Amino acid sequence: SQTIHQWPATLVQPVGSPLSLECTVEGTSNPNLYWYRQAAGRGLQLLFYSVGIGQISSEVPQNLSASRPQDRQFILSSKKLLLSDSGFYLCAWRASGSVQYFGPGTRLTVT
Amino acid sequence: DQQVKQNSPSLSVQEGRISILNCDYTNSMFDYFLWYKKYPAEGPTFLISISSIKDKNEDGRFTVFLNKSAKHLSLHIVPSQPGDSAVYFCAASGNEKLTFGTGTRLTIIP
Repeated sequence: SQTIHQWPATLVQPVGSPLSLECTVEGTSNPNLYWYRQAAGRGLQLLFYSVGIGQISSEVPQNLSASRPQDRQFILSSKKLLLSDSGFYLCAWRASGSVQYFGPGTRLTVT
Repeated sequence: DQQVKQNSPSLSVQEGRISILNCDYTNSMFDYFLWYKKYPAEGPTFLISISSIKDKNEDGRFTVFLNKSAKHLSLHIVPSQPGDSAVYFCAASGNEKLTFGTGTRLTIIP
């Protein structure tokens, strides 16, 4: 069966510090991968998605970036965090069809 | 431009009664619609979906209805149980992506 992992589960970072969140998927090959952010009291905002290794599509211009160095690994990064980057970050995967399956999420607090 | 809207941020329903959550969309190119359930500090879990060529899909206590002419879908939960208390997101599929609504917080009153 397929499993999606995200780490860390929680993170507190000062403004201006770098960020690296990692997501890995097990039990499937060549999945589509997605990064979402849920800000406090808001819906799910799609940040990036990838249909293959090295292929990244950005949905929202901001100081975040994404990379996919391996088929089942998706990384979200920032060189300098802003207060507005605080939120709940979710990784998701899709193999076929339209259903996306989400990881447990990372709670990021920028102080 | 919010293409998927959930106009009720919250809903309270007595245990055992029917819960009806609503969702509206604007883009007629969406071809598949989904409902997700989310608990605090967890990722959303897939609940039920419906293709744009159908008008109803049922799975146990959950039924999704789609009215394409009105660009409206709804999720019915019967009977409602305390464990159904969560935030529910509708989502619409198109171009490899899902567009989510802002969610409705459902509270089931014992």
